[in-house]
Amino acid sequence: DSGVTQTPKHLITATGQRVTLRCSPRSGDLSVYWYQQSLDQGLQFLIQYYNGEERAKGNILERFSAQQFPDLHSELNLSSLELGDSALYFCASSPRVAASTDTQYFGPGTRLTVL
Amino acid sequence: GNSVTQMEGPVTLSEEAFLTINCTYTATGYPSLFWYVQYPGEGLQLLLKATKADDKGSNKGFEATYRKETTSFHLEKGSVQVSDSAVYFCALRSAGNMLTFGGGTRLMVKP
Repeated sequence: DSGVTQTPKHLITATGQRVTLRCSPRSGDLSVYWYQQSLDQGLQFLIQYYNGEERAKGNILERFSAQQFPDLHSELNLSSLELGDSALYFCASSPRVAASTDTQYFGPGTRLTVL
Repeated sequence: GNSVTQMEGPVTLSEEAFLTINCTYTATGYPSLFWYVQYPGEGLQLLLKATKADDKGSNKGFEATYRKETTSFHLEKGSVQVSDSAVYFCALRSAGNMLTFGGGTRLMVKP
């Protein structure tokens, strides 16, 4: 158990809908990262938050957004869903904002299926 | 930009065989290198890491050495078990914070 929790575990929805994925980081970690794992794109970094502020953006679509709340949990919002958004979404956390030596600990993921 | 290249799988081995999964990288600066493992139906778990050249990461019988001269971080295990069957991801992390992953290598170990 990494200490990172994600809910829900599975999510099935229809095209055009909007969903919210939730992540709680390990106790004491201030950085939260979101990654998408899909068959065709592999594992891709989406976005990073540190102590409530956005710090880095990767290949995140404009239809997707995220935020980190004062209690440090984070939510990833996916809107106008398309079939191609079906993927496993991982959250990870680490203690600091920019230490390349820090390990990122991953949650179990949320499997999103868009029908 | 940063990139990680792993050997394509699946790799199929018999129990107690020697394992090597190749990983090479391209990065600016001095990245840290990681191997993560994903067991069926589960999330990513850190297997081992190395943060500077010539460091050797090790865990659960797996080893990998950070080779700056060949920009490689090959994963090895002397004797694999059926329970090692999983997908293995090589990754790097530089000053940009995010992890850059390779495509993953599926390992299947047969009894």
